[in-house]
Amino acid sequence: NAGVTQTPKFQVLKTGQSMTLQCAQDMNHEYMSWYRQDPGMGLRLIHYSVGAGITDQGEVPNGYNVSRSTTEDFPLRLLSAAPSQTSVYFCASSYGQVPSYEQYFGPGTRLTVT
Amino acid sequence: AQSVTQLGSHVSVSEGALVLLRCNYSSSVPPYLFWYVQYPNQGLQLLLKYTTGATLVKGINGFEAEFKKSETSFHLTKPSAHMSDAAEYFCAVREYSSASKIIFGSGTRLSIRP
Repeated sequence: NAGVTQTPKFQVLKTGQSMTLQCAQDMNHEYMSWYRQDPGMGLRLIHYSVGAGITDQGEVPNGYNVSRSTTEDFPLRLLSAAPSQTSVYFCASSYGQVPSYEQYFGPGTRLTVT
Repeated sequence: AQSVTQLGSHVSVSEGALVLLRCNYSSSVPPYLFWYVQYPNQGLQLLLKYTTGATLVKGINGFEAEFKKSETSFHLTKPSAHMSDAAEYFCAVREYSSASKIIFGSGTRLSIRP
């Protein structure tokens, strides 16, 4: 049981490049989410999903796309990277369709955009 | 929208001393409240949560928190700090208007002095 896995651990992008951050969970959780963590700002919700084929926006969705074709995977796409997207990104999953229960977090992806 | 305020971005205590990390939330209805801990270079893990029922909640590693509706607070305490408690702590609330969103506070870094 690997829990929540994220790849890559580190990434450096140039402004305007695109990339996909991968997230997978093996706990059959319906709820999955993406957060970004910036110093002094805690975690801010980017997008979330309550099941395969269902996604919605969080607090800071601009510049990011998501899809959920399977229960296990929830990739986050940066369409045209900007320096403001330099951050640490965390994926999380939770039992049920609402996060009333514990969210399990991945180890994070540290992204730098130059 | 609901919000979470953590008073003090950095708290330092001596080993063996009381730990008190403060969290206040804004909500017009009883919320779901969480405390998460993040050790260096790791994802977050759940310390404890309040949903309904008993207002004093016990979590892992000797931590506990008390939900006080009249004060809209959910402060985290531990009677005796240990060096291994050094970490960043996040208070979070499940948003009532959209039960699918968890809102995090900005975090409090706890340092333990020998």
